[in-house]
Amino acid sequence: QVRLVQSGAEVKKPGASVKISCKASGYTFSNHAIHWVRQAPGQRLEWMGWINGGNGNTKYSQNFRDRVTITRDTSASTAYMELSSLTPEDTTVYYCARGPDFPYMDLWGKGTTVTVSS
Amino acid sequence: DIVMTQSPDSLAVSLGERASINCKSSRSILSSSNHQNYLAWYQQKPGQPPKLLISWTSTRESGVPDRFSGSGSGTDFTLTISSLQAEDVAVYYCQQYYTTPLTFGGGTKVEI
Repeated sequence: QVRLVQSGAEVKKPGASVKISCKASGYTFSNHAIHWVRQAPGQRLEWMGWINGGNGNTKYSQNFRDRVTITRDTSASTAYMELSSLTPEDTTVYYCARGPDFPYMDLWGKGTTVTVSS
Repeated sequence: DIVMTQSPDSLAVSLGERASINCKSSRSILSSSNHQNYLAWYQQKPGQPPKLLISWTSTRESGVPDRFSGSGSGTDFTLTISSLQAEDVAVYYCQQYYTTPLTFGGGTKVEI
C-alpha cells in the first residue's frame, strides 16, 4: 500500500545532529517530492524543506539557517533529513510528507520524535 | 513569509450542525497566471499525522466526505463542515503553497 515509514525515536545531546529516514512504498518515489515538517506540542506545523524525488533538487526554509540537509536515495526509495546543532527547542515530532506536482502534502509518515536533552 | 491566521482557535458544534473555520493569509495567494488559490486544508486527529482534506481551496481529496467544503479567494478562506459527525473531532490547519517557506495556520480545534 502507499505509505511513508519513518525511522524511530531519537534522543540526542545539545549540539549533536540527528538524521531521520523516510522510506516510501507503493508509488514511484522519483515522481514526487518529499517534504519535512515538524510540530512542537500544541504548536503549528512548521515546514523545514523539500527534496525533488527525481532530480534531488532541494529547497529549505531559511528559519533553519543552514542547519537542515535533506537527501534521498532513489534506489532505496528513501529520503533523509539531517538537523545539526540541536538545542532543546528542537525537541518535537518530525514528519515526512509526499508532495505531488505542487507543494501541498498528500501522504504523511507517522512522525519521528526527537528529544534533545543533556 | 506569508502568515496564515486561523479563527476561531476552537469551536464546539452539536452533532449534525455546521462548523466553519476561517483562514486569512497576510497577502494574496491567488496566482494571476492560473487563477488558482494555493491553499490546502488538513485534518489532524490526536496522535496522528495530518491528513490532506482539500487542495486548491476547494478540491476534495479522494475519499473525503462531501460534507467538507472549501471556499474563498485572495486572502480569505473558509473550511465548512456541513453536518458535523463525531469522527470530525480534530484540529484543522490551513496551508499556503503559493511561495516558500510553506506556512500553516495555527489550527482550529473542533469539538462536539
